[in-house]
Amino acid sequence: RKEVEQDPGPFNVPEGATVAFNCTYSNSASQSFFWYRQDCRKEPKLLMSVYSSGNEDGRFTAQLNRASQYISLLIRDSKLSDSATYLCVVNRGGYQKVTFGTGTKLQVIP
Amino acid sequence: DAGVIQSPRHEVTEMGQEVTLRCKLISGHNSLFWYRQTMMRGLELLIYFNNNVPIDDSGMPEDRFSAKMPNASFSTLKIQPSEPRDSAVYFCASSGEDRGFQPQHFGDGTRLSIL
Repeated sequence: RKEVEQDPGPFNVPEGATVAFNCTYSNSASQSFFWYRQDCRKEPKLLMSVYSSGNEDGRFTAQLNRASQYISLLIRDSKLSDSATYLCVVNRGGYQKVTFGTGTKLQVIP
Repeated sequence: DAGVIQSPRHEVTEMGQEVTLRCKLISGHNSLFWYRQTMMRGLELLIYFNNNVPIDDSGMPEDRFSAKMPNASFSTLKIQPSEPRDSAVYFCASSGEDRGFQPQHFGDGTRLSIL
């Protein structure tokens, strides 16, 4: 089983739609979780951290389910500018080293 | 504040040549990561330094790859001799540890093509 698994997509959604991505991780000792966004031919950029109680940043909501070992990202009212690949990132418990998922591609269409 | 700075942005060279990629960390950060990204394999960690010391190089493909951190703010990744299968985007990222685990910040990457 891969350390971090994501559905590669692509997810094609109309503007204004709500879309959710899940990401599963295999290491139960993982302590820190993040979502990154990567635009085509650009570097990954931090979108948001994921906290145990769940957290929201504008249209974006991140949640953590430790029992089932997955994190999720919900995007409400999708914009064309949300089109990108979303990478799930999980640390390996106690180290700065993290594992990146292969990403989920989102395409928001007019 | 300046972000992570990588050079060159693009490199095209012939098979067998030595390639050197450079990275300047964000001021105050003490962890440095080199990644390689391809369509087939996604983002792979090559090596990770903490306070100038290599902590984990298990992702370095083979002896042709070497990385150094001669000081707290600068690192190089060298490939010698280069091969066509080394063609990829190479990213450098840095993070700090002042308040527990901190997320990584990436440079713009170096697009490497080996002919």
